[in-house]
Amino acid sequence: EPEVTQTPSHQVTQMGQEVILRCVPISNHLYFYWYRQILGQKVEFLVSFYNNEISEKSEIFDDQFSVERPDGSNFTLKIRSTKLEDSAMYFCASSGGPFNEQFFGPGTRLTVL
Amino acid sequence: AQTVTQSQPEMSVQEAETVTLSCTYDTSESDYYLFWYKQPPSRQMILVIRQEAYKQQNATENRFSVNFQKAAKSFSLKISDSQLGDAAMYFCAYNHVNTGNQFYFGTGTSLTVIP
Repeated sequence: EPEVTQTPSHQVTQMGQEVILRCVPISNHLYFYWYRQILGQKVEFLVSFYNNEISEKSEIFDDQFSVERPDGSNFTLKIRSTKLEDSAMYFCASSGGPFNEQFFGPGTRLTVL
Repeated sequence: AQTVTQSQPEMSVQEAETVTLSCTYDTSESDYYLFWYKQPPSRQMILVIRQEAYKQQNATENRFSVNFQKAAKSFSLKISDSQLGDAAMYFCAYNHVNTGNQFYFGTGTSLTVIP
């Protein structure tokens, strides 16, 4: 069964460093998403991406964040200058259409020291 | 603003028994979608069940069913004949076209199944 994959599973970085979180969505999906979950809190929407552009973003997704689909398979989330409060689990998701089930990846745990 | 509330941080159920997880939401929309996702320990979230708000009939998926009360904005999940593999974190989620397909999640309910 096709699934969303994410790498790395755990990323440790120093405050102020740039990180890139990688996701491989399900191959025939057209809609891509990033969510994050700070420990003990709810899963929060960051951004949705369709047709090679951002279709929606939340207040969390400020200028420090960017997304890219550099090739036909990868979908990346970049944080330019990480802050302590960026420490969280980051989930990638994809879907075949709007309002369809979103398939989630296993997450990347980001720890900012 | 859309909010999703899960008032039970933790629940437990005896194996083979039935448990109900609560979820309420707040929206001014009339047409939307509701989901229950399951997240086993150290594994990714998977969809358990989906409900379209325009459908009056409650969704059912094998041992999983929902009690959708649109007027009360309530969307509870019932798990019948609980199995050890049902132990997980369960998230309720809301989705509507005006939210740009983003999901709004509750804080989750951690379900323990007691053998």
